[in-house]
Amino acid sequence: SQQGEEDPQALSIQEGENATMNCSYKTSINNLQWYRQNSGRGLVHLILIRSNEREKHSGRLRVTLDTSKKSSSLLITASRAADTASYFCAPLTYTGANSKLTFGKGITLSVRP
Amino acid sequence: DAGVIQSPRHEVTEMGQEVTLRCKPISGHNSLFWYRQTMMRGLELLIYFNNNVPIDDSGMPEDRFSAKMPNASFSTLKIQPSEPRDSAVYFCASSPRYSNQPQHFGDGTRLSIL
Repeated sequence: SQQGEEDPQALSIQEGENATMNCSYKTSINNLQWYRQNSGRGLVHLILIRSNEREKHSGRLRVTLDTSKKSSSLLITASRAADTASYFCAPLTYTGANSKLTFGKGITLSVRP
Repeated sequence: DAGVIQSPRHEVTEMGQEVTLRCKPISGHNSLFWYRQTMMRGLELLIYFNNNVPIDDSGMPEDRFSAKMPNASFSTLKIQPSEPRDSAVYFCASSPRYSNQPQHFGDGTRLSIL
């Protein structure tokens, strides 16, 4: 298994601005998943992008994947105060039944009203 | 459909006591995961079950930790004896099959060992 490394560690923006968060990983992957965690709650799955995909959208979320650079980015457009949370990336290298996600330390996003 | 249910939400106990955390996964999900989250170490996978069978327990920190899944709708994580360094938030998650699919997390158990 491998761990994703998110960047930056913390991000503070004004409501309405876009937030871009980055993730890097070390070895080839089958997919990469992004999760959000609100304070005091469990992680919530946001989006899964497969290794043969380059971009994926879900509402105000846009995820890109560059396998040549071993990196992914999560873009939140027109941010809202409710987007304040920690965001985690989790790359997956599928090795059968023993495959497991390894989460990074996360990015703390603060959206100021 | 109900999500992953964990109990208790909070547990405060004294060092040396036995602690049992409980989890009910989403009905129909075949994979269940136990994680521990701390500020220092982030989110760590402790153990992973598939079809009620432990697949990977390499993340279990010590013999003081044990996990069981007696049936598809229930799992426990036990710490005996507990120590202050076990204080953390413990999450249970489930997914339809293996970890290459999205995982659904419970809201965790915040454990404090005094």
